[in-house]
Amino acid sequence: SQQGEEDPQALSIQEGENATMNCSYKTSINNLQWYRQNSGRGLVHLILIRSNEREKHSGRLRVTLDTSKKSSSLLITASRAADTASYFCATSPFGYQKVTFGIGTKLQVIP
Amino acid sequence: NAGVTQTPKFRVLKTGQSMTLLCAQDMNHEYMYWYRQDPGMGLRLIHYSVGEGTTAKGEVPDGYNVSRLKKQNFLLGLESAAPSQTSVYFCASSYSDRNTEAFFGQGTRLTVV
Repeated sequence: SQQGEEDPQALSIQEGENATMNCSYKTSINNLQWYRQNSGRGLVHLILIRSNEREKHSGRLRVTLDTSKKSSSLLITASRAADTASYFCATSPFGYQKVTFGIGTKLQVIP
Repeated sequence: NAGVTQTPKFRVLKTGQSMTLLCAQDMNHEYMYWYRQDPGMGLRLIHYSVGEGTTAKGEVPDGYNVSRLKKQNFLLGLESAAPSQTSVYFCASSYSDRNTEAFFGQGTRLTVV
């Protein structure tokens, strides 16, 4: 079963608006990562947040992590049509030598 | 710097045929992974390797075998393909399993008829 589950599964917004995606997970983690996948392509790493961090920024991306609620959110500010993609959270649980992915959120940014 | 390269990019197999998917990385990464991606299922881990000569089962290993004879290569084999193995397969590698990102190949789209 998937460790992480993204919400919503699909999101459609206008260009310039902010997009927020959430990820919930079940077990304690070492870190949580967000990836982007453009249609038909491989996944590209966006940002990694460690379990002892609460917030992280990278350009227009802002990630938060709440380990007490076992959840994370990815905020994309001032969205662009080029942000249209699927976004996945991936968790690395303590004691496991593998990363597991969620089902993903499909984001459509309308020009 | 090529990163992670998967071969082939597309393949159509008949039920019962066998094939090998090749993954090559040039980043000297210890960890390598094979995932399959199906609609509504996300990415599921098939097998992974934590170093040359080692392999381990992931979430959905049945029907697949792997080998890591060289550090830079990770092979995924299908001995007797089934329609249920129709999927997009992704290889990934990472420096370690702690606080490092994974780098993905472009995927192999496999159809079993």
